Amino acid sequence: GAVVSQHPSWVICKSGTSVKIECRSLDFQATTMFWYRQFPKQSLMLMATSNEGSKATYEQGVEKDKFLINHASLTLSTLTVTSAHPEDSSFYICSARDFDYEQYFGPGTRLTVT
Amino acid sequence: QKEVEQNSGPLSVPEGAIASLNCTYSDRGSQSFFWYRQYSGKSPELIMSIYSNGDKEDGRFTAQLNKASQYVSLLIRDSQPSDSATYLCAVNIGGANNLFFGTGTRLTVIP
Repeated sequence: GAVVSQHPSWVICKSGTSVKIECRSLDFQATTMFWYRQFPKQSLMLMATSNEGSKATYEQGVEKDKFLINHASLTLSTLTVTSAHPEDSSFYICSARDFDYEQYFGPGTRLTVT
Repeated sequence: QKEVEQNSGPLSVPEGAIASLNCTYSDRGSQSFFWYRQYSGKSPELIMSIYSNGDKEDGRFTAQLNKASQYVSLLIRDSQPSDSATYLCAVNIGGANNLFFGTGTRLTVIP
């Protein structure tokens, strides 16, 4: 149990375009989902916390207008990187929390902006 | 002081040995503690959770929690080369919605 999927697993896009990443909890309901970013050889950086049916809470320094998060249901959250630039290239990972407060991570999405 | 601190390593152990990974945290009131394993280029995988003082064993893994000293550790017995990864300690601090992660300890098991 406790499986979280992400789609796509990797994406290459041109500078200035937008990219949407989906995160789904497959076998449990997740009232809270989290979005992380990880650069090579660095630790996880929490970008935002997403609660179902409400606005996401962004960490300091994360532009909410650039990283749009929608958590429309208990099993789906989406992250849209708008007007992507090469510096947005990174490994984006979502996680979902179950009722025992255990967090399960999706497999991640590797974004490359050219 | 960071909320969760780990020695970044690298920690190298020979195959078959016990690997000991340590983590300290800042909030004495923390209640939930987790160990994740992250292979290079992959996302973290939950391997252990612990909520009470003492030891919790799961196969070759043992998590140890000492709330009075504010540390949590992970022991890996009979280490295998496949255990080579970065191990992340995570703590639920102050009842926050999210977990606070350490920077991870990179473990290498030498065949």
